[in-house]
Amino acid sequence: KNQVEQSPQSLIILEGKNCTLQCNYTVSPFSNLRWYKQDTGRGPVSLTIMTFSENTKSNGRYTATLDADTKQSSLHITASQLSDSASYICVVSAFHGQNFVFGPGTRLSVLP
Amino acid sequence: SQTIHQWPATLVQPVGSPLSLECTVEGTSNPNLYWYRQAAGRGLQLLFYSVGIGQISSEVPQNLSASRPQDRQFILSSKKLLLSDSGFYLCAWQGTTYEQYFGPGTRLTVT
Repeated sequence: KNQVEQSPQSLIILEGKNCTLQCNYTVSPFSNLRWYKQDTGRGPVSLTIMTFSENTKSNGRYTATLDADTKQSSLHITASQLSDSASYICVVSAFHGQNFVFGPGTRLSVLP
Repeated sequence: SQTIHQWPATLVQPVGSPLSLECTVEGTSNPNLYWYRQAAGRGLQLLFYSVGIGQISSEVPQNLSASRPQDRQFILSSKKLLLSDSGFYLCAWQGTTYEQYFGPGTRLTVT
């Protein structure tokens, strides 16, 4: 069964600190993995997208890594800001059809 | 540039009433279109997707339906709403890349 798991479920950090969010998946055959940021009551916004051949992708203070062998990805946030408070969603796509598997998300709260 | 619109932004409807949510995309042609639902505190659930006018695929059985009357218009409907239909409904489009772009969403509360 195609699944995406994320950990932790929620995370609280202080402004300026770094944090790392985890994503494990069992989607096969793997096509790509995306990380989204979703502010409360808004639609998700894409942060990074990685295909099988990519093992790291950066977008400003966000850096995503992918280990296709272990089927794990991480999203590292550097020097967190209050505006980073949001849910971060990992999405894995399979090659066939429109098989997008969404993780449950990690709720990040950045406190001053 | 491409933009995606959804309306209404919020909606409160009684059980048993009909539903129509609209999504339109600007600045692109022949996009793949998607409807998702997000229950409170939960992940996104794919409801329908469309690869072209009149072509609709359903991912989960429910009392909802979707239609694509025009290339850049996607409509989500129901004849009779259930309490369990409450949630945050998101429309998304995908072009020639892997990226999906989401609309602002519609918050539906069924009372």
